[in-house]
Amino acid sequence: EPEVTQTPSHQVTQMGQEVILRCVPISNHLYFYWYRQILGQKVEFLVSFYNNEISEKSEIFDDQFSVERPDGSNFTLKIRSTKLEDSAMYFCASGRGIAVHEQYFGPGTRLTVT
Amino acid sequence: AQSVAQPEDQVNVAEGNPLTVKCTYSVSGNPYLFWYVQYPNRGLQFLLKYITGDNLVKGSYGFEAEFNKSQTSFHLKKPSALVSDSALYFCAVRRAGTASKLTFGTGTRLQVTL
Repeated sequence: EPEVTQTPSHQVTQMGQEVILRCVPISNHLYFYWYRQILGQKVEFLVSFYNNEISEKSEIFDDQFSVERPDGSNFTLKIRSTKLEDSAMYFCASGRGIAVHEQYFGPGTRLTVT
Repeated sequence: AQSVAQPEDQVNVAEGNPLTVKCTYSVSGNPYLFWYVQYPNRGLQFLLKYITGDNLVKGSYGFEAEFNKSQTSFHLKKPSALVSDSALYFCAVRRAGTASKLTFGTGTRLQVTL
């Protein structure tokens, strides 16, 4: 069964550094999402991406964040200058479209900012 | 705005007994409702969804959920719990007819004991 994959599984970085989190969505899916989960808290939406552009973003997704689908298979989340409060589990998700309703999640990347 | 409430941080049940994990929601218009399960160090795994039609929906691993429009609830149920069901359960909502973001509840930890 196809699944969403994410790399790396764990990333440790110093405050102020740039990080890129990578995701490979399910191949015939058209909608892509990033969510995050700070330890012990609920899963929060960051951004959705469709047709090579951002379709929706939350107030968390400020100018420090960007997303890209560089080659038709990967979907990346970049944080330009990490802060301590960016430490969280980041989940990528993909969905086939409006008529197929559920989103499928990857295993997550745990980002630790020191 | 849309929101989900899961009033119980933890639910304890003995193996073989029925279980219920509660969820109420708020959304503009009709809802699409979902349950996801998260095992330790794993991503979110889709369990079941309500889109339209029969208020009782069946999903993976013997789980089912009942949609109640008047009470704006979508409680997760299972007739006979297993120890292996122990995990973190998230209820989520999004607006019907869209591929928009999921809004999650805070999660309920289900602990099933022998």
